[in-house]
Amino acid sequence: DTGVSQDPRHKITKRGQNVTFRCDPISEHNRLYWYRQTLGQGPEFLTYFQNEAQLEKSRLLSDRFSAERPKGSFSTLEIQRTEQGDSAMYLCASSPDVRNTIYFGEGSWLTVV
Amino acid sequence: GEDVEQSLFLSVREGDSSVINCTYTDSSSTYLYWYKQEPGAGLQLLTYIFSNMDMKQDQRLTVLLNKKDKHLSLRIADTQTGDSAIYFCADSGGSYIPTFGRGTSLIVHP
Repeated sequence: DTGVSQDPRHKITKRGQNVTFRCDPISEHNRLYWYRQTLGQGPEFLTYFQNEAQLEKSRLLSDRFSAERPKGSFSTLEIQRTEQGDSAMYLCASSPDVRNTIYFGEGSWLTVV
Repeated sequence: GEDVEQSLFLSVREGDSSVINCTYTDSSSTYLYWYKQEPGAGLQLLTYIFSNMDMKQDQRLTVLLNKKDKHLSLRIADTQTGDSAIYFCADSGGSYIPTFGRGTSLIVHP
């Protein structure tokens, strides 16, 4: 399968713990996006990378959130000191270039208890 | 910020056509997308249209774009129960970062 891969698919954590999600984009896709989706809502943009450079961050991305793409391939999204409001599905997407269509992974579900 | 609006629900009978409508506000959008999401899954790209096109057809799917009114529609011909899902409209905006609507839940009943 050469689609966008996300890991883990599901994570249950206690409030205050840190969690990290990983995304492997489609091979040779330069752009990588992170979105968050809560129940009954559409995906909301968090941040994106062009290769290893993080070019834009949404104001939804609080100080507790950090994303990296160190070698321009896979990316990680870390949430520190999780809160119940962080419970959502975190979606990763990639595209070959800025003017191309965008492909999503299956998402990582986070439940904070 | 820029908005994408969709009606929340659509119910159709199997075999009928479904039409899902969307309006957007960002006139700089180059691409407009339709994604499908099944329960518990990620988003599947169904189709997209360039802003300089009026219509695009892809098998059972027809996309119509009225750029003047910033109105996009997705028509699914011969709707099947397997088409039941949430359909998201998205625009690329000027920076090619898709902005999504809240999604339209399509319910197909026999």
